[in-house]
Amino acid sequence: GENVEQHPSTLSVQEGDSAVIKCTYSDSASNYFPWYKQELGKRPQLIIDIRSNVGEKKDQRIAVTLNKTAKHFSLHITETQPEDSAVYFCAASPHGQAGTALIFGKGTTLSVSS
Amino acid sequence: DAGVTQSPTHLIKTRGQQVTLRCSPISGHKSVSWYQQVLGQGPQFIFQYYEKEERGRGNFPDRFSARQFPNYSSELNVNALLLGDSALYLCASSPPYSGNTIYFGEGSWLTVV
Repeated sequence: GENVEQHPSTLSVQEGDSAVIKCTYSDSASNYFPWYKQELGKRPQLIIDIRSNVGEKKDQRIAVTLNKTAKHFSLHITETQPEDSAVYFCAASPHGQAGTALIFGKGTTLSVSS
Repeated sequence: DAGVTQSPTHLIKTRGQQVTLRCSPISGHKSVSWYQQVLGQGPQFIFQYYEKEERGRGNFPDRFSARQFPNYSSELNVNALLLGDSALYLCASSPPYSGNTIYFGEGSWLTVV
């Protein structure tokens, strides 16, 4: 079945720097890759997603890139702010499974210091 | 518009007991999914329901069951609770024609003692 690996597990940056989180997946038929942000004690919030027919997608300071050949996708956050501090999860939607059966990575704890 | 609502928010149960968690999807959403999130891990898929029918099941034992009602709300039941069932149980709903896009509720924190 699908397996999603996420790196790094923790990331510390200074305010204003960029942050990059990378995920790899195993099922080449996976076709949907969302990213979720989870603050302490809160629900995971969908922040951006990308489908397999697109290579890059941007939303203000956040961007996601997808390399289908290498089977990896990345989250890029520019001009980081303290409120970006949270746990970020990547996920993949494996082919042949229930439509909403996402496989999640183990998360990256991002700390932005001012 | 209200998001996905779940109840109860927190509960404590004893080993061997049974628990029922409830979820109301975002208005207009007909698909509901359930996930388990153990502390320090990503969410793990348990069930998906669409139009009251089970459309998918994750790698969970038969102690876990769910159902969806005509108003698209859903319940997750867990029987014979184990200490390892302690987790945040997340319900998510999906808008029509979105495929696999899901929006989570705030979750139900279950502690088994």
